[in-house]
Amino acid sequence: NAGVTQTPKFRVLKTGQSMTLLCAQDMNHEYMYWYRQDPGMGLRLIHYSVGEGTTAKGEVPDGYNVSRLKKQNFLLGLESAAPSQTSVYFCASSGHMNTEAFFGQGTRLTVV
Amino acid sequence: KQEVTQIPAALSVPEGENLVLNCSFTDSAIYNLQWFRQDPGKGLTSLLLIQSSQREQTSGRLNASLDKSSGRSTLYIAASQPGDSATYLCAGSYSKLTFGTGTRLQVTL
Repeated sequence: NAGVTQTPKFRVLKTGQSMTLLCAQDMNHEYMYWYRQDPGMGLRLIHYSVGEGTTAKGEVPDGYNVSRLKKQNFLLGLESAAPSQTSVYFCASSGHMNTEAFFGQGTRLTVV
Repeated sequence: KQEVTQIPAALSVPEGENLVLNCSFTDSAIYNLQWFRQDPGKGLTSLLLIQSSQREQTSGRLNASLDKSSGRSTLYIAASQPGDSATYLCAGSYSKLTFGTGTRLQVTL
């Protein structure tokens, strides 16, 4: 019973490097989200998707790109990592905007 | 602007005590209000979801209420246990989920 799975769980990047975080859900959910969680800031929405092939900007989209080529996958890309992007990243999915949201276990990213 | 606030940021109670966690939101045009639990270094686990048309939801020792007119939701935990120690987050659903910063709960022996 996988739910929402994030890959990888941990990563250390050097400034300027690029990487992609993968989120996969097996619940046939339309909505998928990427959040970052920082101490004292709570969870902030980076980008989200309301269905396959769609993406939209959230609260803090700068420095990130996303793609939703398949309904079950939502990718978050960092083209040129910066120390300010050191954070814990969470992916979530829901069937609709007003239904229960399910979260992955998080990816701890450190940019040095 | 849609904002969600949780006060206090931290709370410590002795085992067995009943407690209430508070969540307030600025925009009453809310689809639903969801409560989550987060253990250190872990993801978020959904506890309760209250639709905008509902007043409360219950699951075991947990009871969540929603008052749209006052912009408040509460999470009541009965007979607290050390295993309840975690951070509790509320999130209002508008066009997207808007989170509070959470209340860190410690239940002591």
